Amino acid sequence: DGGITQSPKYLFRKEGQNVTLSCEQNLNHDAMYWYRQDPGQGLRLIYYSQIVNDFQKGDIAEGYSVSREKKESFPLTVTSAQKNPTAFYLCASLNKGMDTGELFFGEGSRLTVL
Amino acid sequence: RKEVEQDPGPFNVPEGATVAFNCTYSNSASQSFFWYRQDCRKEPKLLMSVYSSGNEDGRFTAQLNRASQYISLLIRDSKLSDSATYLCVVDGFSGGYNKLIFGAGTRLAVHP
Repeated sequence: DGGITQSPKYLFRKEGQNVTLSCEQNLNHDAMYWYRQDPGQGLRLIYYSQIVNDFQKGDIAEGYSVSREKKESFPLTVTSAQKNPTAFYLCASLNKGMDTGELFFGEGSRLTVL
Repeated sequence: RKEVEQDPGPFNVPEGATVAFNCTYSNSASQSFFWYRQDCRKEPKLLMSVYSSGNEDGRFTAQLNRASQYISLLIRDSKLSDSATYLCVVDGFSGGYNKLIFGAGTRLAVHP
């Protein structure tokens, strides 16, 4: 079945450690996105990518990095520079139609910093 | 000012009630608009796109007012299963990029 796979689903990390969250899609979508969600809050855009080898900073990119070496993959690294990394991270890809589009989400990764 | 703002909620309504959510956006160049539904601790899922002429899907009606830069979602005959957080999403398309921005969400609780 086509879809977006995020891993790991739950992740614990010690302060000062970098961690990479995986996002893979087999929907053949060009655009991919990373969002962060804190409890009781909406989704905030971290990074997004329209095509391979190109990506743009979102509203809260500081302390994060991404790569887009393949169309199917858009991993997110949470670096030690991110001061408050505990959150729910959601990856999505965009099915762009003629007039509109639909975001397809993975099931998310919950990161907890101990 | 936030790019996308929603009613803070929560909305607590009885079954059968009609409830309306509003959302405003700041980027007048925005081209596409959506309502997503998110259940507790789950990923958001598309409820409906919002078209310029307004559109309806069963008990749900979405409206867009470009002049005033707001969109709305009307839910008629609320069901217990409608309890969720409703997220307004705006595509601030610019420079060839689809930058999809979410509102903070409005929580709806439907009670018997």
